[in-house]
Parts: sequence; C-alpha cells; structure tokens
Amino acid sequence: DAKTTQPNSMESNEEEPVHLPCNHSTISGTDYIHWYRQLPSQGPEYVIHGLTSNVNNRMASLAIAEDRKSSTLILHRATLRDAAVYYCILRYYNTDKLIFGTGTRLQVFP
Amino acid sequence: EAGVAQSPRYKIIEKRQSVAFWCNPISGHATLYWYQQILGQGPKLLIQFQNNGVVDDSQLPKDRFSAERLKGVDSTLKIQPAKLEDSAVYLCASSSLDRGLSSGNTIYFGEGSWLTVV
Repeated sequence: DAKTTQPNSMESNEEEPVHLPCNHSTISGTDYIHWYRQLPSQGPEYVIHGLTSNVNNRMASLAIAEDRKSSTLILHRATLRDAAVYYCILRYYNTDKLIFGTGTRLQVFP
Repeated sequence: EAGVAQSPRYKIIEKRQSVAFWCNPISGHATLYWYQQILGQGPKLLIQFQNNGVVDDSQLPKDRFSAERLKGVDSTLKIQPAKLEDSAVYLCASSSLDRGLSSGNTIYFGEGSWLTVV
C-alpha cells in the first residue's frame, strides 16, 4: 500500500503562509492526493484534493510535484482557527478508502 | 445540508459490557465508513459499506465488534464485550458515489462517539 510521510509538527505565526509537506514516493497513477484536517474534539474535515495539477479552493492550495512523489498544502494566511492536525492521504482507486497516518500537528501563534 | 449524525456523543462503560453506536449518513450517500481513533493516533478504518453491502472489514476485530447497515442508510456499530483498549473515538463517515471514478469524492465525517472503558 502506498504510504505518506509528514513531519510530526510545525509552527506558524498568525497571518503568515504555511507550507505543509507530504512525501508519497510510492504513489500509483490513479491515486488521488487528499488533505484532511482535524480540529480538536471534532471529526476530520476535507480540505482539498488533487490528482496531477495544482488545485486552489477557498481554504487552501495544493501544489503537486511533477513526478507526483510529493505535495505541499499551502495555507496562504494562517489563523488561530487553522490549528489542527493535517493529514495527507492517498485515496485508493480500487477500494475507495482513506488510510490515515499520524499527520502534522500545526500550531499557530498570535 | 445536514451532516453525518452520530450518537451517543459520549459513553462510559465497564469492561466486558456492551455498547452500540449509531450513525445516520448524509442523505443519498451510498458509502459509509466506521473509523476508530485512539488518542494521539490517526483514525483507523474498521469497516466500509457500499449501500448495505460490506466492502472492507479486514481491520474489524470480529470476535467483539459487529456492524450493520440493513437498509443501506443508518448503521450501527456494536462492541461486545468491551475491553480497556477499546477506549477511543468512533467516527462515522459517508461519501457519495459519482459516475466513474469515485476516488475524488469528499468523505464527510461526524463528530464522533467518545468511548471510555473502565
């Protein structure tokens, strides 16, 4: 099974951009790259996903390397509400399930 | 649009007792998941349904855990008898089936049912 590797934790100051890296060197051609985040005491929530091209939405941007072996979630201006655990997940084509790793705990300081 | 509903929100039981968790997915969502999240870890998939059929239950401890989704809508996860190591948050999630490739579909999670086994 293809796996992802993320740093355990990262820190940012409020209103600064945050770049959360993810390595997935064994990704297959039909695996989507998903990012979810989990705020304290809540279930995970969808942030963004992509296949090959960079993606933008109102929450974040996803930059995917040309060889697809890594990706970066970009929060353009971090707020205190963005403090959460961020999970980078490969969504398997055949079984359609999400396999979570340990994620990156993002701390945001005022 | 209503989200994924779960109940109870919190439950404390003694070991060897039984407990059941209920989930109502988002209306029209064919796929339903149950995850277990132990404190400090990422969620672990226990079982995945598509309509009322089981797609994957390879990580479900079948000697004590059971789950059903009889009419392809609501689902129940049961633990009997509970062990101390079952203390965790049980997350229900759902997603819709799209035409063709569904791996890009968003999965929506409930707030979870917090279980403490003492």
